[in-house]
Amino acid sequence: AQSVAQPEDQVNVAEGNPLTVKCTYSVSGNPYLFWYVQYPNRGLQFLLKYITGDNLVKGSYGFEAEFNKSQTSFHLKKPSALVSDSALYFCAVRDSSARQLTFGSGTQLTVLP
Amino acid sequence: SQTIHQWPATLVQPVGSPLSLECTVEGTSNPNLYWYRQAAGRGLQLLFYSVGIGQISSEVPQNLSASRPQDRQFILSSKKLLLSDSGFYLCAWSVRTGSAKNSPLHFGNGTRLTVT
Repeated sequence: AQSVAQPEDQVNVAEGNPLTVKCTYSVSGNPYLFWYVQYPNRGLQFLLKYITGDNLVKGSYGFEAEFNKSQTSFHLKKPSALVSDSALYFCAVRDSSARQLTFGSGTQLTVLP
Repeated sequence: SQTIHQWPATLVQPVGSPLSLECTVEGTSNPNLYWYRQAAGRGLQLLFYSVGIGQISSEVPQNLSASRPQDRQFILSSKKLLLSDSGFYLCAWSVRTGSAKNSPLHFGNGTRLTVT
């Protein structure tokens, strides 16, 4: 079985500061990990994915994510937050045998001006 | 490039009325198609997925049904809506063959359904 946890419902950060949105996962095989962003009343937009290889994955809009196998984590990061980054962020996981993605419960990011 | 269209964007329907939400994908062939429901702006619940025409898998028993009459068309229906059917419905597609395991889902802009 696969599962994913986003331990923080809400993250607040000041504009220009670095941001981190946390995600931990559990899978029975190799994980395929994804981050999505959702703006109000819109669908989810794909940001980045981890398959294998480099532990630091770069994605859209300056976001990156750090894969840590020993801690089973895949935290989303950005060096300098923008007010326009304020949105709902979802982590998702699929293991090598699963058909479906499992989504986390989402983290609301608010970047304060 | 691939695009996904969902309509309508918003819908207000009385309890007991029928429902039909439509989703179409352009620019790709043989996609996997999905219907999700998002309640209270948070968690995503997978309702149905389809790997081909006429092939529908239901993840959660409920008042809803799905159909795939054409390769790139996915329809979510109900014969009689319940209050609990209110929510934000999202259609998504993904690549079916080859690198399907590491392919992301691509979502439409959703339909906000309010059952009154």
